[in-house]
Amino acid sequence: EVQLVESGGGLVQPGGSLRLSCAASGFTVSSNYMSWVRQAPGKGLEWVSVIYSGGSTFHADSVKGRFTISRDTSKNTLYLQMNSLRAEDTAVYYCARDQTGLYYFDYWGQGTLVTVSS
Amino acid sequence: QSALTQPASVSGSPGQSITISCTGTSSDVGGYSYVSWYQQHPGKAPKLMIYDVSNRPSGVSNRFSGSKSGNTASLTISGLQAEDEADYYCSSYTSRSTPVFGGGTKLTVL
Repeated sequence: EVQLVESGGGLVQPGGSLRLSCAASGFTVSSNYMSWVRQAPGKGLEWVSVIYSGGSTFHADSVKGRFTISRDTSKNTLYLQMNSLRAEDTAVYYCARDQTGLYYFDYWGQGTLVTVSS
Repeated sequence: QSALTQPASVSGSPGQSITISCTGTSSDVGGYSYVSWYQQHPGKAPKLMIYDVSNRPSGVSNRFSGSKSGNTASLTISGLQAEDEADYYCSSYTSRSTPVFGGGTKLTVL
């Protein structure tokens, strides 16, 4: 059974850092396109970052230079390193699997809440 | 990349059909047949309902259908049921090789 379980969210001060993890089971992270998608409270979905099966990474303009997506093949886990956090980064962060490279997210985690506030 | 435009809300009675529109540009919806739709119930993760404009993943009811004309994609739900009440988001591949989501539409089943 495919499962994605995020962790690492919490309260952080503006300018701080946080690393989110997404542990996968039932499939191989490195054989898929994996993304992070966030949702601010009461707002819509916003794509954040992707790592291709080949290892290339891309980030939304809103987080470029501050966030880094990566994976650990041995742990079958996806990560999102978030630096220089801002209030507008407050959101539930979901990891999601895409088998096609066309951003069709067929499996999602339960989400982890990141709150940036002093 | 600006979000795709969806109506904030739609409503319908049980058994009726509703359509949610999703308008973009020639750099996203109009330029590619890579449109998807997601259903999200409160406090839950989104669920993929439609991909490639009109295809349904295994397990999704055939009451859900998708289409596209020019820069506008549409999701139609026929035979509305109470369990269909949720938020719906469209998404499209873009010329930047990244996705863009719509702002979301809240469906109310009266």
